[in-house]
Amino acid sequence: QVQLRESGPGLVKPSETLSLTCSVSGDSVTRSAYFWAWVRHPPGKGLEWVASIHHRGSDYYNPSLKARLSISLDTSNSILSLTLRSVTAADTATYYCVRQDWVNWFDPWGQGIFVTVSS
Amino acid sequence: VMTQSPATLSRSPGETATLFCRASQNIGTNLAWFRQKPGQAPRLLMYHASTRASGVPARISGSGSGTDFTLTINSLQSEDFAVYHCQQYGDWPPWTFGQGTKVEF
Repeated sequence: QVQLRESGPGLVKPSETLSLTCSVSGDSVTRSAYFWAWVRHPPGKGLEWVASIHHRGSDYYNPSLKARLSISLDTSNSILSLTLRSVTAADTATYYCVRQDWVNWFDPWGQGIFVTVSS
Repeated sequence: VMTQSPATLSRSPGETATLFCRASQNIGTNLAWFRQKPGQAPRLLMYHASTRASGVPARISGSGSGTDFTLTINSLQSEDFAVYHCQQYGDWPPWTFGQGTKVEF
């Protein structure tokens, strides 16, 4: 059974860079059937897809975040990473690491990590 | 854009809850539903609009195609009082979610 565990800072200052990692266990990140993705949930708002990546190199970014965003997949260590630059209070959210069924739905989800952007 | 309605639905245990999700354009049956309990991550309930995910009971059903979709939960139980999200994968990127519907007692 696949498990995803996010890690990273709980607090980031405005204008700084947010870096998150997700450790994947119980499944191979090189299975061709899956993308690996980040989804975030700002307080009081709906879920927002952030980015997705496939081990063969295909990646997709939310257009509203693309200029500040990088996603990567370390296949040797089964670690998914996210970097978001120049953060603002609007980036405050719970960030979830998720497995994506090809280019379809998201399942399962990690437990999430809440990140606050504040000075 | 995905629009869910209502924002909040008040029901009692044993009753039926009907949730709606509307897409701004035709997405076929490329729609998923998730349940999110407080303090937990979303959990997949339905995909392809009407296919139950593993472990989802038959009293939960999905329907619809094109732009209008429905999630019906019969005989509401305590675990059903949660927030429900719809997600489209018919027109991507981006993959988009609705704003959520809270089913409360």
